[in-house]
Amino acid sequence: KQEVTQIPAALSVPEGENLVLNCSFTDSAIYNLQWFRQDPGKGLTSLLLIQSSQREQTSGRLNASLDKSSGRSTLYIAASQPGDSATYLCAVRAGGFKTIFGAGTRLFVKA
Amino acid sequence: EAGVVQSPRYKIIEKKQPVAFWCNPISGHNTLYWYLQNLGQGPELLIRYENEEAVDDSQLPKDRFSAERLKGVDSTLKIQPAELGDSAVYLCASSSRGHEQFFGPGTRLTVL
Repeated sequence: KQEVTQIPAALSVPEGENLVLNCSFTDSAIYNLQWFRQDPGKGLTSLLLIQSSQREQTSGRLNASLDKSSGRSTLYIAASQPGDSATYLCAVRAGGFKTIFGAGTRLFVKA
Repeated sequence: EAGVVQSPRYKIIEKKQPVAFWCNPISGHNTLYWYLQNLGQGPELLIRYENEEAVDDSQLPKDRFSAERLKGVDSTLKIQPAELGDSAVYLCASSSRGHEQFFGPGTRLTVL
């Protein structure tokens, strides 16, 4: 059974710092992995989608990597800003096209 | 391009009452998902539709939950009767052929 874990559960950093959020999954047979951002009381906003054949995807200050063999993905945020404060969730699309989410990392960027 | 639309945004009901949520996916997206999200947790899939066919409803509590997607576009999720433990956020998402998922704003349900 696929399980997705995100570490740390919460993170507080000063503005301008580069940071890495981690996502691990137990079954490497995945179709894709998607990173989302969720602001309080809102829905999920898609950030990056990595297909199983890809190693990384980039969008602006965000870079996501995927290592299927080790069951890990990282989301790198460069030069963090207070507006980046949100919960970041990763989701794995596994067997049967079932989507499994992690519990998220709550990020707070201090001005 | 309009995103995924959900209504209502908030709903407060007494336990044992029925409730329904509506979702309009992004135009052209054949795959529609209903998720449940509890506070501090990631979304959990309730049901996935490919066009009008429910292809994965293994996590849907069928004794009280039902869903439909008539004509393969809009979808309705219903709970009857609601229980206190059903209080959560209900999220709808859509995608094209199993690719990138786009989410609506969700419906926050409170059962008293």
